Amino acid sequence: AQSVSQHNHHVILSEAASLELGCNYSYGGTVNLFWYVQYPGQHLQLLLKYFSGDPLVKGIKGFEAEFIKSKFSFNLRKPSVQWSDTAEYFCAVRWTSGTYKYIFGTGTRLKVLA
Amino acid sequence: KAGVTQTPRYLIKTRGQQVTLSCSPISGHRSVSWYQQTPGQGLQFLFEYFSETQRNKGNFPGRFSGRQFSNSRSEMNVSTLELGDSALYLCASSSGGGEGEQFFGPGTRLTVL
Repeated sequence: AQSVSQHNHHVILSEAASLELGCNYSYGGTVNLFWYVQYPGQHLQLLLKYFSGDPLVKGIKGFEAEFIKSKFSFNLRKPSVQWSDTAEYFCAVRWTSGTYKYIFGTGTRLKVLA
Repeated sequence: KAGVTQTPRYLIKTRGQQVTLSCSPISGHRSVSWYQQTPGQGLQFLFEYFSETQRNKGNFPGRFSGRQFSNSRSEMNVSTLELGDSALYLCASSSGGGEGEQFFGPGTRLTVL
């Protein structure tokens, strides 16, 4: 069965620290990849996406992610986090063939200490 | 463009009752998906509708059902409510064939007593 795994459930960082959140998906087929963010009390919103082309994609607020096809991974990074990055981050994968399922990881709660 | 809207925003029910939640997608979006969000479980996929047809279904019991109307509005129904059904139910819509970004509504917070 198709699945998406996020390795870190809770992350606590100090401001200016670097961030990397892991995301892996099960193999099988062509995929579109996404990272969504949910700030406290707000809707889920798109952070960045990858469909094809350059495997290093840049999103809003200084976030970027790298698609490594051989590792079925799509890790999220930010060189220097801010207190306002405190939120829950979700990796999502949409298979573009077969079942066309859109599956989310279980999320990572990031707390940035001022 | 107006965003995805969900009604009601909050709902309190008792075990055994049934509930219907409503979702209006962004105008022009034909793909509507439903998710159950609970702490520690993340977003669990319920189902996806595209042009009034259920295209995908998650691993939920038959008590969870849904439908989509010709104007793309969607409803989900949960019958014989259980305490474990307490959750935030999110609706998301997507343009085109539904393979791109999903736009989420604010959710309906369901509490089952």
